[in-house]
Amino acid sequence: DQQVKQNSPSLSVQEGRISILNCDYTNSMFDYFLWYKKYPAEGPTFLISISSIKDKNEDGRFTVFLNKSAKHLSLHIVPSQPGDSAVYFCAARNTGTASKLTFGTGTRLQVTL
Amino acid sequence: EAGVTQSPTHLIKTRGQQVTLRCSPISGHTSVYWYQQALGLGLQFLLWYDEGEERNRGNFPPRFSGRQFPNYSSELNVNALELEDSALYLCASRPGRVRETQYFGPGTRLLVL
Repeated sequence: DQQVKQNSPSLSVQEGRISILNCDYTNSMFDYFLWYKKYPAEGPTFLISISSIKDKNEDGRFTVFLNKSAKHLSLHIVPSQPGDSAVYFCAARNTGTASKLTFGTGTRLQVTL
Repeated sequence: EAGVTQSPTHLIKTRGQQVTLRCSPISGHTSVYWYQQALGLGLQFLLWYDEGEERNRGNFPPRFSGRQFPNYSSELNVNALELEDSALYLCASRPGRVRETQYFGPGTRLLVL
């Protein structure tokens, strides 16, 4: 049972344009969401997070939006840069159950020149 | 500040063998998590250690086990290796407070032949 889903395995965006990565979840008990970026042969790097009491969190070029009623979150990267090319994982946590993270399967973002 | 470190970086084993992977958390972090990323899959939660005790485990058989030492470093042991255990094993750490983000190491890539 995949509780966190990233339905787009890959995404290609031109440099300077907006990248939008999507994530859906099914467990209504999740109360904290995170995005990680992963380069090949490296561990995931934390990017940005959002608590379920908010609907938007912004950090520089990265903004995460949360739509609780739709159980959907998205990561916006503006403007996209070639160095953003990586696999992006959405993760969710239910703080009441020991804070383990449940990850999506990832979306590979390719930012082209 | 040093990040999460893991050893070894790569490992090749044969079916039926046993393997031990090691993780050193960020200084001051007391919780350690282990995740498995098999080819084409997202990160799957394996184990969580906090203050030297196993706090939670994912849906993995008992031949996956581990421990956390007084200095908060951790080991993951996998007995009776099977081909499908071939994966990237990631360790993450976080400070004691539940809501803190997990920070990942570079991982150990295990190949079982």
